[in-house]
Amino acid sequence: QSLLTQPPSVSGTPGQSVTISCSGGSSNIGGNTVNWYQQLPGKAPTLLIYSNKHRPSGIPDRFSGSRSGTSASLAISGLQSDDEADYYCTSWDDSFNGHVFGTGTTVTVL
Amino acid sequence: QITLEESGPTLVKATQTLTLTCTFSGFSLSTTGVSVGWIRQPPGKALEWLTLIYWNDDRRYSPSLKTRLTVTKDTSINQVVLSLTNLDPADTATYYCAHGGDWGYYFDYWGQGTLVTVSS
Repeated sequence: QSLLTQPPSVSGTPGQSVTISCSGGSSNIGGNTVNWYQQLPGKAPTLLIYSNKHRPSGIPDRFSGSRSGTSASLAISGLQSDDEADYYCTSWDDSFNGHVFGTGTTVTVL
Repeated sequence: QITLEESGPTLVKATQTLTLTCTFSGFSLSTTGVSVGWIRQPPGKALEWLTLIYWNDDRRYSPSLKTRLTVTKDTSINQVVLSLTNLDPADTATYYCAHGGDWGYYFDYWGQGTLVTVSS
């Protein structure tokens, strides 16, 4: 199955805002909600955003998600060194009734 | 609280079958709407969804792996078992199991993962 497309890397200085894009198609993002996971180095992924824009308990509001058409975005404001991680978008894909993951984006805090 | 833990061999040979067990607590896989998924990650690469099993025994598989994958559950002992046949070194990865939130549309709790190396 095709992956969702993300930029390989984004970077910013502490306090800045960065945005990660996630591009899909009509069978996934275009018709289903998007979720985002954060994976800190050497750790298991954790749910960061679900159903396009909702944050699980404990996730700071510096993280926000949105979806438009067949694309989605994750915004991180007030960038902190602890935000250095890999970020993955995912969605349900109606063409095979399963999950599809993004290619992943590494966030670097300069 | 919800916890999940993967277990199984760390080293297997090519052409063999890999069997991994996910033992969980804090929820029941016989409760309506509940699901458990498996996701893997080759070293240095992206996450890849493998399979999802629902409370009603419905199952979903990655189209690229569905001929090699089987997922089963034993609700009496809170376990989900993943089998992957005809292993190849490309199957070397960390394998995660995760609790499916909102009828399986996302994964809200993850195990710590288990690294499986396939030798040729």
